[in-house]
Amino acid sequence: QSVLTQPPSGSGTPGQRVTISCSGSSSNIGSNTANWYQHLPGAAPKLLIHRNDQRPSGVPDRFSGSKSGTSASLAISGLQSEDEADYYCAAWDGSLNGYVFGTGTKVTVL
Amino acid sequence: EVQLVQSGAEVKNTGESLRISCKGSGYNFYAFWIGWVRQMPGKGLEWMGIIYPDDSQTIYSPSFQGQVTMSADKSVSTAYLQWSSLQASDTAIYYCARVNSPTLGTLWFDPWGQGTLVTVSS
Repeated sequence: QSVLTQPPSGSGTPGQRVTISCSGSSSNIGSNTANWYQHLPGAAPKLLIHRNDQRPSGVPDRFSGSKSGTSASLAISGLQSEDEADYYCAAWDGSLNGYVFGTGTKVTVL
Repeated sequence: EVQLVQSGAEVKNTGESLRISCKGSGYNFYAFWIGWVRQMPGKGLEWMGIIYPDDSQTIYSPSFQGQVTMSADKSVSTAYLQWSSLQASDTAIYYCARVNSPTLGTLWFDPWGQGTLVTVSS
């Protein structure tokens, strides 16, 4: 089981705002930066957010990330049908000396 | 364009060996760590380890240490993941991805390869 805990699911109607939480500990998010990946069915995972709140070029500004203490969050505003995917947080864990992914959150657009 | 292209799907029998590949282009392959990530059927993403192609330094996840071998050949800009004896539980999609950031604590993966489906039948 992962050391980064996410809610298994989230949903919203088009245009709504959805927030996904990622709960970690002092050895991962508490002392390192959090990243977020989007995994569409049948595709490779895609980086959405790196270093807590940095959005790579090409990622819509509807996606935003934040971090507070040992937790991180991903917000999707103006939800669109193409946002229906699995979302994973991730961070380096100094105690495990490894990179850890969150449990994953499946976002459904109603 | 920075790109990682992985080898094609494999179907193997239990006990067989296998090596899959990940070829980088559009950047100095030797200078960036490459990571491997597993996704078992219906499950989430699992970090397997990372390798630095310039000197083949590796960091394995404890869960995968001794189960797989990561290697790289910088002369052909390719990283490899291999098994000496496959098990049915190795059935999964395997992704490679380039590591960004100079420090492990700020590490992130981008871009990702398209994935290689490995099916092991008993």
